[in-house]
Amino acid sequence: DTGVSQDPRHKITKRGQNVTFRCDPISEHNRLYWYRQTLGQGPEFLTYFQNEAQLEKSRLLSDRFSAERPKGSFSTLEIQRTEQGDSAMYLCASSLPGQGPSWEAFFGQGTRLTVV
Amino acid sequence: LAKTTQPISMDSYEGQEVNITCSHNNIATNDYITWYQQFPSQGPRFIIQGYKTKVTNEVASLFIPADRKSSTLSLPRVSLSDTAVYYCLVGGTYNFNKFYFGSGTKLNVKP
Repeated sequence: DTGVSQDPRHKITKRGQNVTFRCDPISEHNRLYWYRQTLGQGPEFLTYFQNEAQLEKSRLLSDRFSAERPKGSFSTLEIQRTEQGDSAMYLCASSLPGQGPSWEAFFGQGTRLTVV
Repeated sequence: LAKTTQPISMDSYEGQEVNITCSHNNIATNDYITWYQQFPSQGPRFIIQGYKTKVTNEVASLFIPADRKSSTLSLPRVSLSDTAVYYCLVGGTYNFNKFYFGSGTKLNVKP
């Protein structure tokens, strides 16, 4: 396992279309996070799964956004009726539970979405 | 949600030591301090984490004073490849979803 994998790396779509992104976490990680990052800003939290349960959703996650993690493995993030404001980098991260020294979350390389 | 304050940008030259300070006045007793590095078009990458005093690994040192209201990331002898954005995060590591990234510090290393 080489790390968190995201697909596609780049996506260009027309306004109003639906898009879906996939994230494959590190295999033994039961926690998975989605973030959105716009130019010049840090990543903003969108949603979080522990195994297959979606435990938290940010207010940034409008009803056009939906995320799933069937069977607690890979996750998908779908955006319906895309808007130009959805253009951003979408990042996925995964981690083990636990805390303290040596704990960390691992990020994928992201999916760059451009809505035209 | 413990927010942090960092300088927006810093310049340095190759071979110099760089210190980036982060303020986190509202840090909670159970919170750790974590630093991530991000290159353009890549996801953030963990650098170092600490709770108090000093932590050192192969790439950086983290200095945390006794009151824990600030911390300093120290990068020894930077190179051009250290040009990146550095984020200071504060939170309990069991709830990474609560970590606030902010805008980070853009470090520009010049030859």
